[in-house]
Amino acid sequence: EVQLVESGGGLVKPGGSLRLSCAASGFTFSRYSMNWVRQAPGKGLEWVSSISSSSSYIYYADSVKGRFTISRDNAKNSLYLQMNSLRAEDTAVYYCAGGLAVPGSDEHAFDIWGQGTMVTVSS
Amino acid sequence: DIQMTQSPSSLSASVGDRVTITCRASQSISSYLNWYQQRAGKAPKLLIYAASSLQSGVPLRFSGSGSGTDFTLTISSLQPEDFATYYCQQSYSTPWTFGQGTKVEIK
Repeated sequence: EVQLVESGGGLVKPGGSLRLSCAASGFTFSRYSMNWVRQAPGKGLEWVSSISSSSSYIYYADSVKGRFTISRDNAKNSLYLQMNSLRAEDTAVYYCAGGLAVPGSDEHAFDIWGQGTMVTVSS
Repeated sequence: DIQMTQSPSSLSASVGDRVTITCRASQSISSYLNWYQQRAGKAPKLLIYAASSLQSGVPLRFSGSGSGTDFTLTISSLQPEDFATYYCQQSYSTPWTFGQGTKVEIK
């Protein structure tokens, strides 16, 4: 079964840090570009960060640039998001999502999603 | 950044109705347009990629069209499981941006 499972969410104070993880199974993780997408309570989807299949290309939304770091370990089939200097506006469900990165496909169309992990930033 | 604008923001429809949702990009994105369905409390699901290609396993009642700046998602005959929120997303250039969503509710 194709699966992405996020973990690491929780309650953190403003200015604090959290590290999210996403464990992949049931597919060839190293062939996928991976992303973090978040959704604030009652709001729409917001792309946060992307990392290419070999970690050669990394992108961030302006809202998190300089505070968040995306990384992956293809040997462990895992994606990570280190979140520092957290703010109240970072409160959201964080989804990891993947797109197949092979010729003829659009790796930025997210065809695999996890169930999400909730991050709450509050004092 | 490319802005994505969906209309309507919400709609009420009955089972069996034909439903059309539109998405407009602030600049040309060729066919780099994807559609997602998100049911309440669940993760999004890719329905359509490259503006008109149906993702594997998605029912044929879903279709997409358009190119450039104007795109459409059509559900030919609305089913009970289709009541959800739909998002468009451009994959033309970073930051990958989503529309604000269209909530399809039961009339």
